[in-house]
Amino acid sequence: DARVTQTPRHKVTEMGQEVTMRCQPILGHNTVFWYRQTMMQGLELLAYFRNRAPLDDSGMPKDRFSAEMPDATLATLKIQPSEPRDSAVYFCASGLRGLQVPGELFFGEGSRLTVL
Amino acid sequence: GESVGLHLPTLSVQEGDNSIINCAYSNSASDYFIWYKQESGKGPQFIIDIRSNMDKRQGQRVTVLLNKTVKHLSLQIAATQPGDSAVYFCAEKRTAGRRALTFGSGTRLQVQP
Repeated sequence: DARVTQTPRHKVTEMGQEVTMRCQPILGHNTVFWYRQTMMQGLELLAYFRNRAPLDDSGMPKDRFSAEMPDATLATLKIQPSEPRDSAVYFCASGLRGLQVPGELFFGEGSRLTVL
Repeated sequence: GESVGLHLPTLSVQEGDNSIINCAYSNSASDYFIWYKQESGKGPQFIIDIRSNMDKRQGQRVTVLLNKTVKHLSLQIAATQPGDSAVYFCAEKRTAGRRALTFGSGTRLQVQP
């Protein structure tokens, strides 16, 4: 049963700490998205990768957020230093044809981050 | 339990009734639209999509209608079941500029048994 795997599922940390969220896309998928979901803003795109190269990270606060794909099986989203306003659920999604057929994006179950 | 505690418009229907969930979009350059379902504690799940050159598309128990004149999208669910209870998002893909999906704010569907 192919699925996108995200870790951790839940993370509680204190303001100023570094947070790293990981995503394992479905094997063979070449596009990876990071979305953030909050009560106020809904689902917001943070970053988008194709073939491990970042194509769009304009939605990501550059001063504290960074997204990478060290290899085809791992995408990471790092926040350093974390702030209470970063509290949200972070979703990773992967697909094979990316924006050509966006409906074929598969979302993970999310990482719920709480920054105290 | 809630995944994010979203304050959303809520549609409450009786089991067996038909549901209609509406979505307005703003960008006339959008060429592709998708409906997603999000259950509590889970990520969005694809339901149905439609391209801008169509005005209707049917799936299993679901129909999406697109009215480009008024930039309106709707999702119709026939014979709504308790398992349909979830938050429903419409998403649009734009032909230019920022080309990833842009999600709407969502509607919570509650199915009463």
